[in-house]
Amino acid sequence: AQTVTQSQPEMSVQEAETVTLSCTYDTSESDYYLFWYKQPPSRQMILVIRQEAYKQQNATENRFSVNFQKAAKSFSLKISDSQLGDAAMYFCAFEGLYGGATNKLIFGTGTLLAVQP
Amino acid sequence: NAGVTQTPKFQVLKTGQSMTLQCAQDMNHNSMYWYRQDPGMGLRLIYYSASEGTTDKGEVPNGYNVSRLNKREFSLRLESAAPSQTSVYFCASSWQGLVQFFGPGTRLTVL
Repeated sequence: AQTVTQSQPEMSVQEAETVTLSCTYDTSESDYYLFWYKQPPSRQMILVIRQEAYKQQNATENRFSVNFQKAAKSFSLKISDSQLGDAAMYFCAFEGLYGGATNKLIFGTGTLLAVQP
Repeated sequence: NAGVTQTPKFQVLKTGQSMTLQCAQDMNHNSMYWYRQDPGMGLRLIYYSASEGTTDKGEVPNGYNVSRLNKREFSLRLESAAPSQTSVYFCASSWQGLVQFFGPGTRLTVL
């Protein structure tokens, strides 16, 4: 069974600084997707970034980028130039493409990010 | 284009009562999902529907039933609510099982 682990329950960063959130996962699949979702106090789940496992190039979306290490099963999120609006709970998630993992997002337990002015 | 909508936003039930959570999407997605979110546990899949007319169990299906009414709508029913079902419930939809878009959530309290 697939598992996703976020070992940092809480993180803090100064405004304009850079922070990295960690995520590791376990799977026997070779093809899959990885995601980072943001959940602000409004509770809305917002997709931040997506990575396809077959792509070696790390995904980037403006100030957000990932460090995807397939062999190590690691998928960290880097937020550059942190802004107050980045304060939220961040969830790492895995989705397999085949077999029993298809169509099923497996979430980590989340990292609560605080941004200090 | 409203995306994924859920009703109600908040609900308080007594143990043993029943209720249905409604979800609708206007993105022509074929797959829809129900999750629950509990403190410290992330989101867990309750049921999903890969396409109209099909439903499958997720990680925590006990105590719930679902209906995929049509392509747009996917409802979640609690037949006899229990305090352990106090949670925030999210509906999501996706095209071909790829990126999932989430509704705003329903906060349910069972007394």
